[in-house]
Amino acid sequence: EPEVTQTPSHQVTQMGQEVILRCVPISNHLYFYWYRQILGQKVEFLVSFYNNEISEKSEIFDDQFSVERPDGSNFTLKIRSTKLEDSAMYFCASSRLAGTDTQYFGPGTRLTVL
Amino acid sequence: SQQGEEDPQALSIQEGENATMNCSYKTSINNLQWYRQNSGRGLVHLILIRSNEREKHSGRLRVTLDTSKKSSSLLITASRAADTASYFCATCFITGGGADGLTFGKGTHLIIQP
Repeated sequence: EPEVTQTPSHQVTQMGQEVILRCVPISNHLYFYWYRQILGQKVEFLVSFYNNEISEKSEIFDDQFSVERPDGSNFTLKIRSTKLEDSAMYFCASSRLAGTDTQYFGPGTRLTVL
Repeated sequence: SQQGEEDPQALSIQEGENATMNCSYKTSINNLQWYRQNSGRGLVHLILIRSNEREKHSGRLRVTLDTSKKSSSLLITASRAADTASYFCATCFITGGGADGLTFGKGTHLIIQP
């Protein structure tokens, strides 16, 4: 069964460093998403992406964040200058149709900012 | 905010019993999805129910939706130890952009006692 994959599973970085989190969505899906979950808190929507551009973004997704689909398979989330409060689990998701369709989540990348 | 909120926050039952979790939300939705998360792991999609549906079944899962009360319930019948996990409802509403993010509740932590 096709699934969303994410790399790395765990990333440790120093405050102020740039990180890139990678995702490979399910191959025939057209809509892509990033979410984050701070330890012990809710899963929060960051951004959605369709047709090579951002479709929706939350207040969390400020200028420090960017997303890209550099090729036909990868979908990345970049954090330019990490802060301690960026420490969280980051989930990528994809859906075949619009956001009203089922969103399938990857296993997550745990980001730890020191 | 049109976030989903689950109750109870925690539920402990004996194996074989049924588990019921509830979710309430605040504004009109297009669909509501239930996810499971094992400790520290990714989100597994369980079931999606659309706003024009009242009940849906999938194996041992039964989901109901009452749009007049803005609430949903997830019933797991004949629970097993492997059902121990956190369960989240996530709501989706159409913004017009198409790729809409989900809004998650805080979740119900379900423990099945063997």
